[in-house]
Amino acid sequence: DQQVKQNSPSLSVQEGRISILNCDYTNSMFDYFLWYKKYPAEGPTFLISISSIKDKNEDGRFTVFLNKSAKHLSLHIVPSQPGDSAVYFCAASGYSGGGADGLTFGKGTHLIIQP
Amino acid sequence: NAGVTQTPKFQVLKTGQSMTLQCAQDMNHNSMYWYRQDPGMGLRLIYYSASEGTTDKGEVPNGYNVSRLNKREFSLRLESAAPSQTSVYFCASVPGLTAYEQYFGPGTRLTVT
Repeated sequence: DQQVKQNSPSLSVQEGRISILNCDYTNSMFDYFLWYKKYPAEGPTFLISISSIKDKNEDGRFTVFLNKSAKHLSLHIVPSQPGDSAVYFCAASGYSGGGADGLTFGKGTHLIIQP
Repeated sequence: NAGVTQTPKFQVLKTGQSMTLQCAQDMNHNSMYWYRQDPGMGLRLIYYSASEGTTDKGEVPNGYNVSRLNKREFSLRLESAAPSQTSVYFCASVPGLTAYEQYFGPGTRLTVT
């Protein structure tokens, strides 16, 4: 049973527009959420995160929103740039005090930025 | 500062062969992890080591063993490779128990025929 779900395998967005990537989770024990970006033939790289005590975190062009009651989070990228084309993974951790026990990942969304 | 390094980058094995995937980090991180990624799937945790001297099973540990050789190195061993273990393997590390953001290596692409 998947605990972290990314229901859109791919998303195509025009350059300069907003990209919105969605993620749902089922485990209410998760208390920290992360987004990772992955290019082909490379390892994932950390992008942005949010604690369950917040509902928004912003870092430059990237903003993550968390709706705990709906068990839903989203990543907004504004404006979208060609270098943003990659696979984005949503991940969650369920242990307060750190993620030492590892992360639970969604299947990923392939974001394609069209010129 | 190389971050997390993995060797080899690619490997082809025959069913039943054994091999060890190596991982090392130079960031003085305490916790290390092994994940596998299959097509259309997210990363799944195989084993992890929260600190030097300890290892624990993750979501998909069957068919694998690990060794936390020292603080820097965490190896993953396939004793008798099976085609179902064809995958891309990623090693990751985290500074300590209060950190969540994991740093990943470039991956090892393993094919078992």
